[in-house]
Amino acid sequence: DAKTTQPPSMDCAEGRAANLPCNHSTISGNEYVYWYRQIHSQGPQYIIHGLKNNETNEMASLIITEDRKSSTLILPHATLRDTAVYYCIAPLGGFKTIFGAGTRLFVKA
Amino acid sequence: GAVVSQHPSWVICKSGTSVKIECRSLDFQATTMFWYRQFPKQSLMLMATSNEGSKATYEQGVEKDKFLINHASLTLSTLTVTSAHPEDSSFYICSAELGQYGYTFGSGTRLTVV
Repeated sequence: DAKTTQPPSMDCAEGRAANLPCNHSTISGNEYVYWYRQIHSQGPQYIIHGLKNNETNEMASLIITEDRKSSTLILPHATLRDTAVYYCIAPLGGFKTIFGAGTRLFVKA
Repeated sequence: GAVVSQHPSWVICKSGTSVKIECRSLDFQATTMFWYRQFPKQSLMLMATSNEGSKATYEQGVEKDKFLINHASLTLSTLTVTSAHPEDSSFYICSAELGQYGYTFGSGTRLTVV
């Protein structure tokens, strides 16, 4: 697994975009970047993943830098229900996944 | 999408007893599953990796005789906490590998040992 680094916490106003950064400078060429979030006392929920290109789905957008050393998860219109811990991971397929501390996002009314 | 069903969602047991937690892949075959433990306000800590039909691989510091993992079929992996003690109280989560599509997680089991 590539090691990932995220800020421990972030605040965001409800309705505004939440931009969560992740540094994965040791990522290798065939490692995808995955984002999950965990709401209190639940299992992690898949959000989005990408390899090189930017990705968008109904939940979020993922912006990956050209050198692939960092990425940003964008929640375009954060709601109170988006308050959670967000994990960025870069596992090498077939191998164990190590979770870092993640970013605790607080969405405030 | 691929779903892992984890049961029970919570369990309370007495010290010295054993507890079994089940994870089932509902609409896919899970060759590899992972078991995590999570203490309050901490991240997920990988305990072991289980592969169908073979012995689990445990992370350093995890007692394999205490946390028994069985992955006898492609749709079921179980974690048994043997001779549970209060310090084993935690949130246990399983996940299954989906290849390029990452991992899918169970909903977790809150274990309280009294």
